[in-house]
Amino acid sequence: GENVEQHPSTLSVQEGDSAVIKCTYSDSASNYFPWYKQELGKRPQLIIDIRSNVGEKKDQRIAVTLNKTAKHFSLHITETQPEDSAVYFCAASKLRQLTFGSGTQLTVLP
Amino acid sequence: DAGVTQSPTHLIKTRGQHVTLRCSPISGHKSVSWYQQVLGQGPQFIFQYYEKEERGRGNFPDRFSARQFPNYSSELNVNALLLGDSALYLCASSLRFQGDTEAFFGQGTRLTVV
Repeated sequence: GENVEQHPSTLSVQEGDSAVIKCTYSDSASNYFPWYKQELGKRPQLIIDIRSNVGEKKDQRIAVTLNKTAKHFSLHITETQPEDSAVYFCAASKLRQLTFGSGTQLTVLP
Repeated sequence: DAGVTQSPTHLIKTRGQHVTLRCSPISGHKSVSWYQQVLGQGPQFIFQYYEKEERGRGNFPDRFSARQFPNYSSELNVNALLLGDSALYLCASSLRFQGDTEAFFGQGTRLTVV
């Protein structure tokens, strides 16, 4: 089955700096790659997603890039703010099933 | 418009018991999936139901079963509970198959097996 690896597991950045989280997937048939943010005790919420026919997508301070050849995709958050502190999960979809990475705890230091 | 709702929010059960978790999808959504999230890990796929039929099953034992009702709500059943079943169980709904459209998650049911 699909396997998604996510790095780093923890990430601390100063407020205003950028944060980058990277994921790799194993199955070239995966075609949908969402990113979820989960605050402590709350539900995962979609923040951005990308499909395999697109290389990059941006939404304000958040961007995702996809390299199909290398089978990896990354989340970029610019101008980080304290409210960006949360656990971020990447996921890959094959046969309409989401396989999640293990998560990255992002801490934005004031 | 209400989001995905799950009940109960918390549950404590004893080993060997049976549990039923419930999920109501967003109005108009026909797909419901169940995930198990162990502390410190990402959600793991258990089942997907679309139009009341099972459309996918993850690597979970037969003790786990689910169904989807005509109103698209869903139940997850777990028999013969083990300590290792302690986790947050998340339900997600989407308009069509998950992986084709955005999945919206409920707040989860925190199951503790003692």
